[in-house]
Order: sequence, then C-alpha cells, then structure tokens
Amino acid sequence: EAGVAQSPRYKIIEKRQSVAFWCNPISGHATLYWYQQILGQGPKLLIQFQNNGVVDDSQLPKDRFSAERLKGVDSTLKIQPAKLEDSAVYLCASSAGLAGTPYEQYFGPGTRLTVT
Amino acid sequence: AQKVTQAQTEISVVEKEDVTLDCVYETRDTTYYLFWYKQPPSGELVFLIRRNSFDEQNEISGRYSWNFQKSTSSFNFTITASQVVDSAVYFCALSAYNNNDMRFGAGTRLTVKP
Repeated sequence: EAGVAQSPRYKIIEKRQSVAFWCNPISGHATLYWYQQILGQGPKLLIQFQNNGVVDDSQLPKDRFSAERLKGVDSTLKIQPAKLEDSAVYLCASSAGLAGTPYEQYFGPGTRLTVT
Repeated sequence: AQKVTQAQTEISVVEKEDVTLDCVYETRDTTYYLFWYKQPPSGELVFLIRRNSFDEQNEISGRYSWNFQKSTSSFNFTITASQVVDSAVYFCALSAYNNNDMRFGAGTRLTVKP
C-alpha cells in the first residue's frame, strides 16, 4: 500500500512570496489533515477535510493560508504572502476513519519551507 | 483544554540500555485517546500505538512497552534493549473521542549510541 505522498520536499522562498504544497493521501482514506511543525515543536493541526469538505479550520491563519481538496482526493495548501514565521515543516496526514473518530493518522514525509 | 507535556527534551543512551520516555496529559474529557508516534530523521511520523481512556492495561510489542496510568495522567513509553535504529524524535499525542484534533507534545529526541 502506497503511503501519503507530498511535494515538494523542500522549498525556499522570500517573504511576501507565495507557495503551494501538494498532498496525495492513502487511497480510500476519507479524512485528510494538514499540520505545521515548527522546529523543536510537535505538529499543530491547520485544517482537516472529510472527503472534499472542511471539518475544522479553526487554527488556519485564513488571512494568508488557504487549502482545498477537490474531488475528495488530493489536496493543496497555499500560503500567500509568506512571512518569516511560516518557516516550518508542513505535514500531510490521512486517516481511514471519518472526522470525529480518533483513528490513527498516517503521515507523509513533509515539505520543509524556509522563508528568507 | 487538552495538553500534552513531554518534559524530557533529549535523552541519550548507549545501545542495549533500557529507556523510558515520559508523557503527561491534561484533559477534561472522560473519553479520549492517547497515541505515540516516532519521527525518524527522514521526517515521516510513524504510528506506534493508540490507547483509549478505558483501557489501562499495559501493552508490550516486541522491545516496546507502554504504561498507561489514569491516576497520574501519564502514558509512558519504554524501549528495552535500545538499538541505534531507535534514534528518533518520539511524540505523545492526545485526542478527544469526538474529534480528531490531535494535540501533540513537544517531543523527546532519543539518541542511541553504539
């Protein structure tokens, strides 16, 4: 079974530029998550999708971050414009359980973003 | 509010030593789930275990064992006879029963030296 795929693995941009990350979850997983992991900290949930609908985006900085999951499969996370404090690893995860059920989540390798 | 505390920032042991990683949690929920994940240098978090709040039985899986004590709100993880491949950052996480907003601790970096 293929795992969660993410691209790119690394990205360096200047502040005020825009950037997009892509995630392909495990086939058949209804729930998809985006996390932000700042160096030395645990992952923090940004947004959760069930199929193509948003379940929870309460911790997503909506003035600059946006995410979509068209057709309930792949997802993209965008930052526009980026700030220095957005430097982090962005992790995508998927789960076979429906939103609201604490099934284990399977994580991708992450995208390491550096904003200069 | 849910919170997970991993007080040990870094631990270094020599191969074959036993090591315990501590996890203390806070929640007002009576039903909740606790998790441990491993993050090797490659960056991908690997699921290790999930435990619900009604199951306080200790669990053993090979060299790994987990001790869940509701009385002290702890869910500690022990690696027996550590190996170099165990070197990673280990995260404890907490999730309420009715949502999947998993709250992670800050992680413990384990280094196992040969």
